[in-house]
This record gives sequence, C-alpha cells and structure tokens, in this order.
Amino acid sequence: NAGVTQTPKFQVLKTGQSMTLQCAQDMNHNSMYWYRQDPGMGLRLIYYSASEGTTDKGEVPNGYNVSRLNKREFSLRLESAAPSQTSVYFCASSEALPRGVFFGQGTRLTVV
Amino acid sequence: DQQVKQNSPSLSVQEGRISILNCDYTNSMFDYFLWYKKYPAEGPTFLISISSIKDKNEDGRFTVFLNKSAKHLSLHIVPSQPGDSAVYFCAASAKEYGNKLVFGAGTILRVKS
Repeated sequence: NAGVTQTPKFQVLKTGQSMTLQCAQDMNHNSMYWYRQDPGMGLRLIYYSASEGTTDKGEVPNGYNVSRLNKREFSLRLESAAPSQTSVYFCASSEALPRGVFFGQGTRLTVV
Repeated sequence: DQQVKQNSPSLSVQEGRISILNCDYTNSMFDYFLWYKKYPAEGPTFLISISSIKDKNEDGRFTVFLNKSAKHLSLHIVPSQPGDSAVYFCAASAKEYGNKLVFGAGTILRVKS
C-alpha cells in the first residue's frame, strides 16, 4: 500500500527556474495538502484542496501555485524559484479531519 | 505569531526512563490535538491524539495529557526506547478553521541506550 507518493525526492534549482512537485495518493481521500518544513518553524501549510476541483491558500502561499488534477493527484508549482523556498516539502492527504492525515516522504528542495 | 509552541528544541533521555514532551497553544478555539513522529528522510506519522473534551488519552507506552486552562499538552512515553528517537511534532486544529492542522516547531528526542 503506497499511501502518499511524492516525486522527486531531491531537487536543486537555480534562482528563477520553475518546477512542479508531484503528489499522488491511493487512499481515495478527498482532501490533500502541501506543507513546507523549515528548521525552527515546524510544518506550515502552503495550499490545500478540500475536494477535487477546489483549492485554497494556507499560511504561506506566496510564490506557489497548485493544481488538483483529479482525486488522486495534487501538484505544487514554483514559477520562479527563490532561495527562500529552500525547504522540505510534504504532501499529505486525509479523509476525516483532523484525524488521519497521512504524509508522503517529502521532497528536499534547494534553490541556489 | 506561532499558535502552537514547542519550547524545547531537544530532549535527551535514558532508555527505560520516562520522556515528557511539552506543547503550549494560544488559540482557545483549538478543539483537537495530535502528536506526530518523524524519522529522518521520512514523512511525519500519526502517533496519538486527544479531543478537547478529554484530559487524557493513552495508547500503549504513549499518553497525552491536556490541560485546557493552561493551554498546555504533554506527551509521555514510558518506558522510552532507542527506537523512539525522532522529531515529535505537536499539532492542533479547530472546526472553525476547517480542521486544518497547525503544527509546532518540533522537539528532537534522543533516547540513549
């Protein structure tokens, strides 16, 4: 049972480059999330999708866009990467909040 | 301003002893609290939770205590084992905010054998 799968696991970008982080879940969950983890800051919500076809901003949405492609997939796009976006990014999904939030393994992104 | 605070960045405990991880929150609207555990290079995994209508929840070696008047919760691990060494995140949610999780900064627990 794969759960939540994120790709890639590691990425190095140059300032100004763009990229898309992919996320897919196989648990038939309605809700999906993107978090970033920074030292001393915990996990902060970037964007979330309560159900297929809807997306909403979280705590730190600036510099990011998202697409809920279908029920399984939720992607995060950095249009013009900045060093401040160096972080570990986690995708998560859930059915019955607040219980049962399942996380992927993370993507370690470095912007130089 | 952080609504969920874990003021101890790290904690070191001897194997077999009790580990106590603390968490404070500022928003009185929070009605559900969770602890997540994270190993290096892995995503956080759910450990234990508690509703605001309770003051204690126990699951094996793990017990969470909630003191609403003090806006404080703690996670007790008894006995501590080397495999418990990880980062522990406290999280809180509120129905009024769509039950989205708000996380603390995390506490690194090291259990020495």
